[in-house]
Amino acid sequence: AQKVTQAQTEISVVEKEDVTLDCVYETRDTTYYLFWYKQPPSGELVFLIRRNSFDEQNEISGRYSWNFQKSTSSFNFTITASQVVDSAVYFCALSGGYSTLTFGKGTMLLVSP
Amino acid sequence: GAVVSQHPSRVICKSGTSVKIECRSLDFQATTMFWYRQFPKQSLMLMATSNEGSKATYEQGVEKDKFLINHASLTLSTLTVTSAHPEDSSFYICSATRQGGWQETQYFGPGTRLLVL
Repeated sequence: AQKVTQAQTEISVVEKEDVTLDCVYETRDTTYYLFWYKQPPSGELVFLIRRNSFDEQNEISGRYSWNFQKSTSSFNFTITASQVVDSAVYFCALSGGYSTLTFGKGTMLLVSP
Repeated sequence: GAVVSQHPSRVICKSGTSVKIECRSLDFQATTMFWYRQFPKQSLMLMATSNEGSKATYEQGVEKDKFLINHASLTLSTLTVTSAHPEDSSFYICSATRQGGWQETQYFGPGTRLLVL
């Protein structure tokens, strides 16, 4: 069975601080995909990144960066110089073994001015 | 891009009525669409998987006769909540993939907030 754990329920930071959202996953599949989605207050889930299990390279996209470590089964997400517009719920998700997305419980990020 | 729309965005209805929610892929053909339900401050719960031209596959515990899903074309799937009751009030969100594979990215619609009085 697949499982995604986002241990941080809520995080509060002040604008311009860096923040890391943790994601730990469990799967028996050797081939799997990891995702991050952002859900702002409006409700729509916005796709941020997809990473397959064979690609452990870290990725940077503007202020966003992702650290994938198979050794610790983690796929953490860092926002540098956070902004108020980053306030949202962030979901980490996993798909593998012909199963569709398994979501974590989400981390609510609140960025104060 | 991969844009998915949902209509309506918000609906209020009386108990006992049926409500239809549409999910459309605007700039791509979606072989597979998914329907999720999300309660406040909770994660998404998959309700069913819908493939174009075939019957939907429902997750355990989801009533097929209660939540009717139709995927009549490669760009449209509908979810009908039949004889809605207050406990059906929730946020319903759909997603779509191009090929339908488990490894594909799901692109989500903006969601529909249903309130049953």
